[in-house]
Amino acid sequence: AQSVAQPEDQVNVAEGNPLTVKCTYSVSGNPYLFWYVQYPNRGLQFLLKYITGDNLVKGSYGFEAEFNKSQTSFHLKKPSALVSDSALYFCAVRAPSNYQLIWGAGTKLIIKP
Amino acid sequence: EADIYQTPRYLVIGTGKKITLECSQTMGHDKMYWYQQDPGMELHLIHYSYGVNSTEKGDLSSESTVSRIRTEHFPLTLESARPSHTSQYLCASSESFGLNYGYTFGSGTRLTVV
Repeated sequence: AQSVAQPEDQVNVAEGNPLTVKCTYSVSGNPYLFWYVQYPNRGLQFLLKYITGDNLVKGSYGFEAEFNKSQTSFHLKKPSALVSDSALYFCAVRAPSNYQLIWGAGTKLIIKP
Repeated sequence: EADIYQTPRYLVIGTGKKITLECSQTMGHDKMYWYQQDPGMELHLIHYSYGVNSTEKGDLSSESTVSRIRTEHFPLTLESARPSHTSQYLCASSESFGLNYGYTFGSGTRLTVV
């Protein structure tokens, strides 16, 4: 069965420090992996994706994520956090044979000034 | 979030009323989805459609119904609203072909039933 785990409900980071939001997955075959961000009272916005190729993918707002096949992880990272990065972050996975995304439970990211 | 539109953005309605939440997309995507989400919580798939005249229930049981008569339109209806239906409803779409692979979301409808 396909699944996604975001082990941290909340991550707190001081502004200017690096941040990591963790995601691990379980899927048959080579996964398609995604990160989305949700600001209060809004829909989800696409941040970045891994389909194939380079394991390090870069996305919007300075975010990047590294696909690690052996650890089945796709952690979201940013070298220097901004207060405006505070939001809810969702990791999602899709098997190539399946159209539906499987979602993690979300991680609330709080950046303190 | 461009190209997929949800109306209304906010709705406060009395118990027992019938409501329809609208979702339209201009991207020609064949697949559409409805999610229910309590504030700050995880997403729950309640309905999806893989094309015109095709609808399926999602993982979370819901008293709502959907229809897909046109590719671009995927409305969600509650015949008799109850306070337990208070939540945010998110519509999304995706395509079977092309290089996107992911979903595009609308801005959501926040429903409050009093």
